[in-house]
Parts: sequence; structure tokens; C-alpha cells
Amino acid sequence: AQSVTQPDIHITVSEGASLELRCNYSYGATPYLFWYVQSPGQGLQLLLKYFSGDTLVQGIKGFEAEFKRSQSSFNLRKPSVHWSDAAEYFCAVGVNDYKLSFGAGTTVTVRA
Amino acid sequence: DGGITQSPKYLFRKEGQNVTLSCEQNLNHDAMYWYRQDPGQGLRLIYYSQIVNDFQKGDIAEGYSVSREKKESFPLTVTSAQKNPTAFYLCASGSLDTDTQYFGPGTRLTVL
Repeated sequence: AQSVTQPDIHITVSEGASLELRCNYSYGATPYLFWYVQSPGQGLQLLLKYFSGDTLVQGIKGFEAEFKRSQSSFNLRKPSVHWSDAAEYFCAVGVNDYKLSFGAGTTVTVRA
Repeated sequence: DGGITQSPKYLFRKEGQNVTLSCEQNLNHDAMYWYRQDPGQGLRLIYYSQIVNDFQKGDIAEGYSVSREKKESFPLTVTSAQKNPTAFYLCASGSLDTDTQYFGPGTRLTVL
């Protein structure tokens, strides 16, 4: 069975600084890859997704993610963080069996 | 205005009572899903459905039941057999060809 690991439980970053969230997956083939964001008490919002093709994917809110097959990783980045980016971020993997496996999430705190 | 709606946003239940959470979508998605979210545990799949009148158990189906009588609706019943039902419940819908899922705003269930 596939698994998704988000090594960082909590990250604190200064406003205006860059942000990188790590995601590693375990699966034999190349899966579909997703990043979601969740504000407190809200549902999950899709930031971006990777199916195939260009390994650098652009998403909403200025986020991007890079798929690295050799490292089984799909890290999320943002060049300059805004206070509104404080939230919980989830990486997810799909293998075309109509289900997603989610990582445990990374909470991002933005300090002024 | 397309999307996924969940009601109610907050729900309180006494021990021993069954309670039904509503999920409706107007995105014309074939697949619908129910997840449970607990602090620090990410999302865990309860049930999912790929087509009307059919559904499958997820990873933590015990103590829950669902129905899929209409494409747009996928209600979840939390039964008295669920030992620890207090949690945040998220409904999602999605397309079968890309595993992409879109989430509702969630229902927070508290057992008193």
C-alpha cells in the first residue's frame, strides 16, 4: 500500500521569507500527487496537482511544487510567505483507484 | 454556485444516539467520500462511493453507515456503535479519472 510522509509537523517562518514543505511517498509507480491547504475549522482547498509532464507545477496563491521521481518527493514551495498563508498543509497521493492517501499534515505559523 | 455543502456545521449528540451528517454536491461528480479528521492524525477514509447505489468501506468504517440514493447526496450516519465519534468530518467529491477530490466545509461533531 502506498504511504505519504510529511516529515515536518510544524514550521515557523517569517513573513516575506520563503517556505518549503516536504512530502515523500512510497509507491512503485508514479502516482497522482496533490497539495491541499486547510484553515482552522474549514475544509481542504486544492492548491495544485501533478499527473504527468512538466515536473514543476504551479498552483494557486503563488505556490509551486516540484516532483522528483528519483527522490519520491513532491515538495511545496512559496518564495515569499504572507500572514494569510498560516494554515495546515496536506500532501496526498492517488494511484487511480479512486482513493487518496494523505500525509499527517504540516502546520505553518507565520510570524511578523 | 457550484460546490459541496455539508450541514450542519456544528452538531452535538448525546451518547447512545445515532446522528446523520449531510453532504450534497452539484459538481456532477461520480465519486463521493467521507473522512474523519482528528488532531495530529490527518484524514482517515470512512466510506466512499463511485456510483449511485454502491459504496465501499474505507479504513475506519466501523460504527458508521452511508447511503448513495442520488448522485448529488452522500449522507453519513454515525451510529451508537462508534466508540469515539467526537471529530471533524469532511465530505469530498471528485472525478474518477484523475483522483482529484474537492472538499466541503466540514461538520464538527461533539458527543456530550
